Amino acid sequence: DAGITQSPRYKITETGRQVTLMCHQTWSHSYMFWYRQDLGHGLRLIYYSAAADITDKGEVPDGYVVSRSKTENFPLTLESATRSQTSVYFCASKQSSNGYTFGSGTRLTVV
Amino acid sequence: GDSVTQMEGPVTLSEEAFLTINCTYTATGYPSLFWYVQYPGEGLQLLLKATKADDKGSNKGFEATYRKETTSFHLEKGSVQVSDSAVYFCALSDEGTDKLIFGTGTRLQVFP
Repeated sequence: DAGITQSPRYKITETGRQVTLMCHQTWSHSYMFWYRQDLGHGLRLIYYSAAADITDKGEVPDGYVVSRSKTENFPLTLESATRSQTSVYFCASKQSSNGYTFGSGTRLTVV
Repeated sequence: GDSVTQMEGPVTLSEEAFLTINCTYTATGYPSLFWYVQYPGEGLQLLLKATKADDKGSNKGFEATYRKETTSFHLEKGSVQVSDSAVYFCALSDEGTDKLIFGTGTRLQVFP
């Protein structure tokens, strides 16, 4: 099916562990984004990518790493998870008509 | 930098009441403006958008007008339904980087 797929949908991990959240789009949209959603903060941009092999920091990049070796994939890695990274993570891609499409989200709990 | 400010919620209304959710923005250029809706347990869906001053976006009975003079993009609906209960996010698209910048969201609760 066309769209953006995020996996896993739910994840529980321990403090200090590395965890990777996956994002895959079936189009060939150039721009992709990672946001985290927290109560009282709305959605905050973690990282974004304008094209394969081009990534840039957003508002809250500390503790996260991204890569974009292929246009359709944009994984987000928490190198050493902390409790403050418990959140809901959304991936998005940008359409040419100035519209953005979001994935269904990954709910991450760090214990 | 660019930013979006929304009214705090929750907004609680009875069915068929008139809805306004205020949104103002700060931007150095000429951003596009958006309203997204998030139903419980789901991701974000585009509700409407406007790409230039005086444009009116509309969808599902919701409307918002891009007001450059007041830097506002208030969301309105003439008669809300219980099914409109959700969190509404105002956002702008940064002209230079294509980043989407969100407000903090406003929860709407509609009761029968």
